[in-house]
Amino acid sequence: GNSVTQMEGPVTLSEEAFLTINCTYTATGYPSLFWYVQYPGEGLQLLLKATKADDKGSNKGFEATYRKETTSFHLEKGSVQVSDSAVYFCALRTSGTYKYIFGTGTRLKVLA
Amino acid sequence: EAGVAQSPRYKIIEKRQSVAFWCNPISGHATLYWYQQILGQGPKLLIQFQNNGVVDDSQLPKDRFSAERLKGVDSTLKIQPAKLEDSAVYLCASSLGWASDGTGELFFGEGSRLTVL
Repeated sequence: GNSVTQMEGPVTLSEEAFLTINCTYTATGYPSLFWYVQYPGEGLQLLLKATKADDKGSNKGFEATYRKETTSFHLEKGSVQVSDSAVYFCALRTSGTYKYIFGTGTRLKVLA
Repeated sequence: EAGVAQSPRYKIIEKRQSVAFWCNPISGHATLYWYQQILGQGPKLLIQFQNNGVVDDSQLPKDRFSAERLKGVDSTLKIQPAKLEDSAVYLCASSLGWASDGTGELFFGEGSRLTVL
C-alpha cells in the first residue's frame, strides 16, 4: 500500500543550524510529493512540492529533492530561524485518484 | 480568495452523543477531503469526494461516521454515537481535482477540535 515514514521528533536546533528532516515513502505508480507545515495555532499549509523524479521543490529557504531510487524526499534548510519552529509533515499524492497520505509529522524547535 | 471554512471550531460532547461538522471548500474546488488528526499524529484520511461522489471512504468507520456533499459544494461530517477515541481535530481540505489540478496543492481549513468526555 501507499505510506509515508518520517523521522520522529522533536528536533531541537540552535538558530542558524543546518536542518534535515528525513522522509521516505512507499507508493505504486508515480506519486507527487509534498512538505506541509503547521505553525503554532495555524492550519496546515503547503511548504513545497515535487511532481516527478529528480525534481527539487524549494520555498522560504527550504529544499527537498524527489529521489525515486531511494524513495525519499528529505527536507533541508541551510540556516534555520526561530520563526521556523513548527510541525512539518511529509505527504504523497497518489497518481490516478489524487489521494493524499501524510506522515506522522516532525516537530521542530529552534532556539535563539 | 476565501479559504476553506469549517465550523464549529471547538466542540465538547459526552460519549454516545452525536456531533456534526460543516465544511465549505474554496469556490471551484471539485475535490473535498475530511481528515482526522489525533494529537501527535499526522492527518488520517476519512473520506474523499470528487464533486458529490465518494472516491475513497475505506478508512471511515461507517458504523458511526457518515459524510455527505450535497450539490458538490459544502460537506457535513457526522459522528453518532461518539466514542472517547474520536477526540481529535477534524480537518477539511479541498483541491481543484482531477480535471484541472496543475499545482497539486491541498488547501486546509483551520479544523474543528472535538473533545469527547
